[in-house]
Order: sequence, then structure tokens, then C-alpha cells
Amino acid sequence: EVQLVESGGGVVRPGGSLRLSCAASGFKFDDYGMSWVRQAPGKGLEWVAGINWNSGGTGYADSVKGRFTISRDNAKNSLYLQMNSLRAEDTALYHCARGGGYNHLDYWGQGTLVTVSS
Amino acid sequence: DIQMTQSPSTLSASVGDRVTITCRASQSISSWLAWCQQKPGKAPKLLIYKASSLESGVPSRFSGSGSGTEFTLTISSLQPDDFATYYCQQYNSYPWTFGQGTKVEIK
Repeated sequence: EVQLVESGGGVVRPGGSLRLSCAASGFKFDDYGMSWVRQAPGKGLEWVAGINWNSGGTGYADSVKGRFTISRDNAKNSLYLQMNSLRAEDTALYHCARGGGYNHLDYWGQGTLVTVSS
Repeated sequence: DIQMTQSPSTLSASVGDRVTITCRASQSISSWLAWCQQKPGKAPKLLIYKASSLESGVPSRFSGSGSGTEFTLTISSLQPDDFATYYCQQYNSYPWTFGQGTKVEIK
């Protein structure tokens, strides 16, 4: 069974940083691209960033480019999102999702909540 | 960036109705389109990928069609479990993008 478990969310002040983690299990992690998808309260889904299976290719939404960095550690079956220069509009539930590069999104974790507030 | 536009934003329907949701891309995405379903407080669930391929375990009343810039999701006979929000999403090129969502409500 595919499992994706996010952690690292919390409350942070504007301009601050946070690092999200996603622990993957139930599939061969290094066979798949991975992504982060977020959902602000009461809003729709927004794809944030993606990385291919060997970290050879990454992509970012315009809203986070230059501030967020996606990375992965295939030895640890883990995905990460380093978030810097956080803004109030980054407040959202952040989901780890299987899919990225040449793979469509097919599984999502339950998410970790990030709140940016002074 | 590729913009995805869904219509309608909200749809009121009854159990047994045939429901169609449209998604338009601002440029051609070939068939690199997925549809997912989300219920309140839950993670999204994949329904359709590559425009018309049904994800394993998804009921056959769901179907997808289209290519290029015009796509549709059809539910042939709406069931009580289908009242939810539906999103299209393109994965032709980074940055990937979602449509704004279509909420299917009980009439």
C-alpha cells in the first residue's frame, strides 16, 4: 500500500523558513517523480514543485520560484521542501504527492499545515 | 505557463443524472491531462490520467475524453458518493497547473 506521510508544518512569521518532509513507503521510491501540492483554506489545489526520479530535473510554480527548493533522498525514501522568505499567502495544507517529471500525480498524503502569520 | 480553465465552477445535479465537466488548456497539452476528485477534509483521489485512462479501482461510470486543448470528464449516472469537487490538471510541462475546480452539489 502506497503511503505518504508529511511532517514539518507549523506556524512561522513572515520572512521565516520551514522545511517540510515526506516519508514514502509501499512502492519503489526511486522509480517515481514526486511533487508538492498545496491548498490554501477554502481554495483549490495548487501544484507547488516537482522533481524527477533522480533529482535531474525540477520545476516550480511561479508563485514560489526562487524561494522554495524541492529535493529528495532516495536512500531514505524521503522528499523535502525547503521554504524560505515565507509570505502570508503561503499559508496552506501542503500535500506530498507521487508524480513528477514523466509520471502523473496518483497518490497524495494527508498533508501538513503551514501557517504564516505575525 | 499553461492556464487550465474549468466549467462550470458549480454544478447542481440529482442522483442518476449524466454530468459533464469541461476543462480547457491555454495551449496544447496533447493528452497529458488528469482528473481528480476531492471531498472535504480529504486528500485528492486520481480518477483519470492521460485524458481518458481510468485509474485502477475507479468506477466505470467515470470517463474522460479530449486532446490538445479541450477535455471533458463525464459521470454517466451520478451516485451519492460522487458529490465532491473535481479538478483537471495538466502535466505536459512544468510548471504543472490545476483548473480552479468544479463543485458537484446535490440538486
